[in-house]
Amino acid sequence: GAVVSQHPSRVICKSGTSVKIECRSLDFQATTMFWYRQFPKQSLMLMATSNEGSKATYEQGVEKDKFLINHASLTLSTLTVTSAHPEDSSFYICSAGDRGISQPQHFGDGTRLSIL
Amino acid sequence: AQKITQTQPGMFVQEKEAVTLDCTYDTSDPSYGLFWYKQPSSGEMIFLIYQGSYDQQNATEGRYSLNFQKARKSANLVISASQLGDSAMYFCAMTSNFGNEKLTFGTGTRLTIIP
Repeated sequence: GAVVSQHPSRVICKSGTSVKIECRSLDFQATTMFWYRQFPKQSLMLMATSNEGSKATYEQGVEKDKFLINHASLTLSTLTVTSAHPEDSSFYICSAGDRGISQPQHFGDGTRLSIL
Repeated sequence: AQKITQTQPGMFVQEKEAVTLDCTYDTSDPSYGLFWYKQPSSGEMIFLIYQGSYDQQNATEGRYSLNFQKARKSANLVISASQLGDSAMYFCAMTSNFGNEKLTFGTGTRLTIIP
């Protein structure tokens, strides 16, 4: 069964709306979670590293004020796309994993965001 | 900085044949991990196989094996006896201690299995 749950799976909303996406680790604690963005027919691009109890670490070129990340507990990270516009339409996917570079990241099923 | 290169944007393979998906990588970190993920059209990322940089033997997981050639910095995925359900995007990815467990992905290969 899924070890990382992501919700919602699909969002369609009007331009200017803020959208919150949740990522939960179901049977393990994750001090670190990752948020990726994937445009159609492209690869996953890391947006930010979500750190439990502290500020997220954003990749170069990702607007911190646009993509708000909160990691308030060891099992939940949220990504809020603020004042979304059509260019923010994309597939957003989170991952979490046990510590160590040898452990595979477990991915949520992704959120397909469409801004009209 | 880490980099993953997948040079095959798309591949077509006859059902039941074996297929090799290419992946080369670049990193200055002596300790790193290499992963392959499958992404069907529904979007979820499915972990397939892992190879550590210090592993002496090539990793295998059922029909999947990883042809790890460290000197060449390549980590090709081999799928034996391909099935129609193998049709998907395949991504090679890596982590390293320098990268703090972040995954760096290649551009992917779209595999289509022909009946």
